[in-house]
Amino acid sequence: GNSVTQMEGPVTLSEEAFLTINCTYTATGYPSLFWYVQYPGEGLQLLLKATKADDKGSNKGFEATYRKETTSFHLEKGSVQVSDSAVYFCALSDLGSSNTGKLIFGQGTTLQVKP
Amino acid sequence: DTAVSQTPKYLVTQMGNDKSIKCEQNLGHDTMYWYKQDSKKFLKIMFSYNNKELIINETVPNRFSPKSPDKAHLNLHINSLELGDSAVYFCASSTDRAREQYFGPGTRLTVT
Repeated sequence: GNSVTQMEGPVTLSEEAFLTINCTYTATGYPSLFWYVQYPGEGLQLLLKATKADDKGSNKGFEATYRKETTSFHLEKGSVQVSDSAVYFCALSDLGSSNTGKLIFGQGTTLQVKP
Repeated sequence: DTAVSQTPKYLVTQMGNDKSIKCEQNLGHDTMYWYKQDSKKFLKIMFSYNNKELIINETVPNRFSPKSPDKAHLNLHINSLELGDSAVYFCASSTDRAREQYFGPGTRLTVT
């Protein structure tokens, strides 16, 4: 079945450091890919998305490129801030095998940014 | 102007009780979802409704019963609560099955 794998956390960085959170997926068909962010005590917010191969999603300085050849959707940011500390979830929309559109999530990666 | 809202935000109850969580969206979306987030932050789909029709019913105990009175509302009723039901439950909605989903703030359920 479809699945998403993220790098283990927590990831601890100093302010202004470069961020990469790896995400790879297994899917039939051509799913849409998403990054969601969950700040402490809050719900999930859509950070960015990509709907087809080679699409680049971007928002608030974060970027991710849909790479079909490597089945990856890694999240990057050039210079993190303390306010970026949160849990980041990679997800795909299951439109292949079941066509329900349910989101399949990775396990989440906790990012801690220190001043 | 809240997009997806849930009530209550916190719910503490004893084993064996029956409780409900309500969700409403004012985005005009056709599809709504319930997800469960466990203590390790792992998120898993439970149910989905499209235009009041149930389209996803994952392997969830039948103590959990969703109800969608109209497109804007999706409620979750849980009978005979168990300790293992303690989690954060998120409601979400989307314009259709292919689109991104918008999440509510979550309901933290604690069963004692």
